Amino acid sequence: EVQLLESGGGLVQPGGSLRLSCAASGFTFRSYAMSWVRQAPGKGLEWVSAISGSGGSTYYADSVKGRFSISRDNSKNTLYLQMSSLRAEDTAVYYCAKARGSGSYVQYYFDFWGQGTLVTVSS
Amino acid sequence: QSVLTQPPSVSGAPGQRVTISCTGSSSNIGAGYDVHWYQQLPGTAPKPLIYGNSNRPSGVPDRFSGSKSGTSASLAISGLQAEDEADYYCQSYDSSLSGYVFGTGTKVTVL
Repeated sequence: EVQLLESGGGLVQPGGSLRLSCAASGFTFRSYAMSWVRQAPGKGLEWVSAISGSGGSTYYADSVKGRFSISRDNSKNTLYLQMSSLRAEDTAVYYCAKARGSGSYVQYYFDFWGQGTLVTVSS
Repeated sequence: QSVLTQPPSVSGAPGQRVTISCTGSSSNIGAGYDVHWYQQLPGTAPKPLIYGNSNRPSGVPDRFSGSKSGTSASLAISGLQAEDEADYYCQSYDSSLSGYVFGTGTKVTVL
């Protein structure tokens, strides 16, 4: 059974930093691209970042480029999101999601999601 | 804001058929990128409903169907049931943004 368990969320002041983790199990972690998707309170879904199975390719939404960094440790089956220079508008539930699809990564969808971890940016 | 536009809400009586549109542009749906659909029940994580425009993951009832044409896609729910009350999102890739994009979301209400 695929399981994705996020952790690391919490309250942080504007301009601060936070690192999210996502522990994966139930599948061959290194074989799949992974992504972070967030959802602000009462709002829709927003894709944040993605990383290839090997970790060699990373992708970011313009809203977080230069501030967030995605990485993975395939020996620990864990995905990370390092967030810095946090702003109030980064307040959201952050979901870890496993990517799946045929062919190029541009056709991928997210077939399994974690339960999410809440990040609140406020003074 | 999202580059994929959905109606904020749709509603229908039990047993009826409802459709949700997802309107994009030449840099996403119109460029040939697949459209995928997710269902998000209150207080839970999204779950995939349709992938690759019209394919259902294992376990998804055949009451749910997807289609794509030009710069738009649609999700149809036939035989509407109370348990279908949820938020629905489309998702694709956008070459101008070089990233994945989600629709604005549609709340389905069963009357």
